[in-house]
Amino acid sequence: AQSVTQPDIHITVSEGASLELRCNYSYGATPYLFWYVQSPGQGLQLLLKYFSGDTLVQGIKGFEAEFKRSQSSFNLRKPSVHWSDAAEYFCAVGDLYNFNKFYFGSGTKLNVKP
Amino acid sequence: DAGVTQSPTHLIKTRGQQVTLRCSPKSGHDTVSWYQQALGQGPQFIFQYYEEEERQRGNFPDRFSGHQFPNYSSELNVNALLLGDSALYLCASSWGQGAMNTEAFFGQGTRLTVV
Repeated sequence: AQSVTQPDIHITVSEGASLELRCNYSYGATPYLFWYVQSPGQGLQLLLKYFSGDTLVQGIKGFEAEFKRSQSSFNLRKPSVHWSDAAEYFCAVGDLYNFNKFYFGSGTKLNVKP
Repeated sequence: DAGVTQSPTHLIKTRGQQVTLRCSPKSGHDTVSWYQQALGQGPQFIFQYYEEEERQRGNFPDRFSGHQFPNYSSELNVNALLLGDSALYLCASSWGQGAMNTEAFFGQGTRLTVV
């Protein structure tokens, strides 16, 4: 069965510093992988997705993620964090037969220090 | 385009009661999925509706039921509410029952509190 692990519950970084959020998945086939962001009182917004091709994926708001099959990982990165990036981030695996049925990790809450 | 809209935004119910949550999908979308997000957890898939039928279901009891209308809007019903049903309920709409390369859009959710 598909599952997603986000090892870091909370992360605090200083504004302008780089960011990496970790995501590991368990899946028997080539996964469809997603990163979503959730701001307080908001729904989920898609940052980026991977389903094939180039393993480095560019997303919105300056985010990127790298798919590493050997490590079963899909870590999210940003070179310079802005205060507006403070939110909760969710990694998800898409179902093999239903592209928009997701298995989410438990999320990483990002705090940004001024 | 209003995107995915959910109503109400907040709701307080008593144990044992029944509740109905509503979702209007993004224009052009015909598939609606419902997720439960408990506090401190990621969203969990409840079920998905396409062509007015429940197509897939997650690991949720029969107390959770739904409906999809001809205009693609959807309702989530929960009977015999338990304290553990307190959560943010998210609706996601997409096209073609999760066809390849489609994107799901999420609503802002309904915060249900059971007391």
